[in-house]
Amino acid sequence: AQSVTQPDIHITVSEGASLELRCNYSYGATPYLFWYVQSPGQGLQLLLKYFSGDTLVQGIKGFEAEFKRSQSSFNLRKPSVHWSDAAEYFCAVVIMEYGNKLVFGAGTILRVKS
Amino acid sequence: SAVISQKPSRDICQRGTSLTIQCQVDSQVTMMFWYRQQPGQSLTLIATANQGSEATYESGFVIDKFPISRPNLTFSTLTVSNMSPEDSSIYLCSVQGDGSSGYGYTFGSGTRLTVV
Repeated sequence: AQSVTQPDIHITVSEGASLELRCNYSYGATPYLFWYVQSPGQGLQLLLKYFSGDTLVQGIKGFEAEFKRSQSSFNLRKPSVHWSDAAEYFCAVVIMEYGNKLVFGAGTILRVKS
Repeated sequence: SAVISQKPSRDICQRGTSLTIQCQVDSQVTMMFWYRQQPGQSLTLIATANQGSEATYESGFVIDKFPISRPNLTFSTLTVSNMSPEDSSIYLCSVQGDGSSGYGYTFGSGTRLTVV
């Protein structure tokens, strides 16, 4: 079955430490990949997206993600986490051949400790 | 990217009643999407709404429960019918941008529905 997997439900990191959030997808076709962030009580904000080209994508708020086709992964990274980064992060995938539908992973809740 | 106005932002409703959620986009878009986010859960696609045709519903969602209108290229409504407490969720609409915005998906701010 087609799916998007975020294996970590919760992650806690210290402020200033590096961060990596994992995302894997199981689609045969070439995906379009997204990372969204949702702060408590807030809407969804797009951090970055990958359609084609350079597999290392830069986003807002100092985030980046790398598409690795061989591993079917699109992990999100940040070199130094700030307390304001505490939120829930969603990886999402679109397969255009299947109707432009954005399919979300379960989400990873990031906690930042001072 | 498109700007979406969604209302109401929140509501508390009695079971057995219906609520209509509105989504207004500041530009013309072909496809609009409606999602549900149950408490502590991820987003699940309810349906895709194209102007001039019936919405396409995902498995587990039916038109009688979630009727959708799409009267033009900038507006859509989702109705949650005959509500029960299990319908308490955040409902979000979304649109896909065009090439100028890199085909990113924009979301409304959501409607937080509580059914009592």
